[in-house]
Amino acid sequence: DTGVSQDPRHKITKRGQNVTFRCDPISEHNRLYWYRQTLGQGPEFLTYFQNEAQLEKSRLLSDRFSAERPKGSFSTLEIQRTEQGDSAMYLCASSLGTSGKVYTDTQYFGPGTRLTVL
Amino acid sequence: AQKITQTQPGMFVQEKEAVTLDCTYDTSDPSYGLFWYKQPSSGEMIFLIYQGSYDQQNATEGRYSLNFQKARKSANLVISASQLGDSAMYFCAMREGTTGGFKTIFGAGTRLFVKA
Repeated sequence: DTGVSQDPRHKITKRGQNVTFRCDPISEHNRLYWYRQTLGQGPEFLTYFQNEAQLEKSRLLSDRFSAERPKGSFSTLEIQRTEQGDSAMYLCASSLGTSGKVYTDTQYFGPGTRLTVL
Repeated sequence: AQKITQTQPGMFVQEKEAVTLDCTYDTSDPSYGLFWYKQPSSGEMIFLIYQGSYDQQNATEGRYSLNFQKARKSANLVISASQLGDSAMYFCAMREGTTGGFKTIFGAGTRLFVKA
């Protein structure tokens, strides 16, 4: 069973450009999460999908950010008009939710995409 | 207010000794889950151990155990018989069952250095 994969692993872009990241969760995991982690900090929650439905978005997710999970499988996170403050590690995680108690789920993380905005 | 507090930015431990990493949390939700993750320099978050708020016994997973003191709102991670490969960042995290939505809140982490 393969783990969570993310692509690309590294992305360098110029301010103002758009970028898109992809996350492939563990197969059959119905729950998917995106986090952002800046240097020296713990991950910060961005958004949550249950199957294809986006059920929660953090206030950190400004209008320039959009996430999708078509067909409830892989997910993409797009950042439009990137700013230098967007430089961070973007982590994706997935979990297999078998009950309504989401808070008990163990999330498995991917290796992350490190974004550098010049 | 911070919901997860890890007061030790860095910790040193001698190889083969035990070490305790501190974590305190703040919630009024009776249902919550507490997690510990390890993040090596490669960047990937590795799940270590889980403790539910209703669990009567402290969680254990191999060399990892969680010292859960509910009244004090602490969930310290104990690593026994430290190994050089344990050198990494360690994050404590919490998910609330009723009031917190679907998000997981992480602490700022503790960097553990294991000395040979």
